[in-house]
Amino acid sequence: EDKVVQSPLSLVVHEGDTVTLNCSYEVTNFRSLLWYKQEKKAPTFLFMLTSSGIEKKSGRLSSILDKKELSSILNITATQTGDSAIYLCAVVLYNTDKLIFGTGTRLQVFP
Amino acid sequence: NAGVTQTPKFQVLKTGQSMTLQCAQDMNHEYMSWYRQDPGMGLRLIHYSVGAGITDQGEVPNGYNVSRSTTEDFPLRLLSAAPSQTSVYFCASRPHLNTGELFFGEGSRLTVL
Repeated sequence: EDKVVQSPLSLVVHEGDTVTLNCSYEVTNFRSLLWYKQEKKAPTFLFMLTSSGIEKKSGRLSSILDKKELSSILNITATQTGDSAIYLCAVVLYNTDKLIFGTGTRLQVFP
Repeated sequence: NAGVTQTPKFQVLKTGQSMTLQCAQDMNHEYMSWYRQDPGMGLRLIHYSVGAGITDQGEVPNGYNVSRSTTEDFPLRLLSAAPSQTSVYFCASRPHLNTGELFFGEGSRLTVL
């Protein structure tokens, strides 16, 4: 059974802290891994990772894929209250083209 | 720019009633899908479609039907609603293959009493 697991489930930090969110997967026919941010409503796209070891970066957010370890991390530096959200990881499969999501990490950033 | 449009945004049903959640996209995306989101469970795939006339089951298909008669529309039908189907439902689409970004609708909150 295809599975995507995120950790931690929940994280509480203060503004300015750096956080690392983890995503591991056990799937057949891995194509790519995606990160999304979900605030009040629909998830919004952050990154797509297909190649191992290549970092994707956008402002204070960055992410990298490790195909050997079947995992990815999402880093957020100098956190702000606006980073408070649920961060979702998803894996795209070849053949079926399905996306399988993890349970998400709820990040709360306090002033 | 409409994107992915879901209706209704809120719905309350009684056990045993049927209803259809509508989803339409105007981006000519081949891939469309339905997810449900429950606390602590993340997004779980119900059904998906890689093109008109083609549908397939996801992780939690029981109690739901879909059809894809056009590229634009992908309705989700609950034939006989149960309290376990109380959830937030998201429709999402993307261009077919080799693309990652899913475009989500705003979500539909369904309560089954």
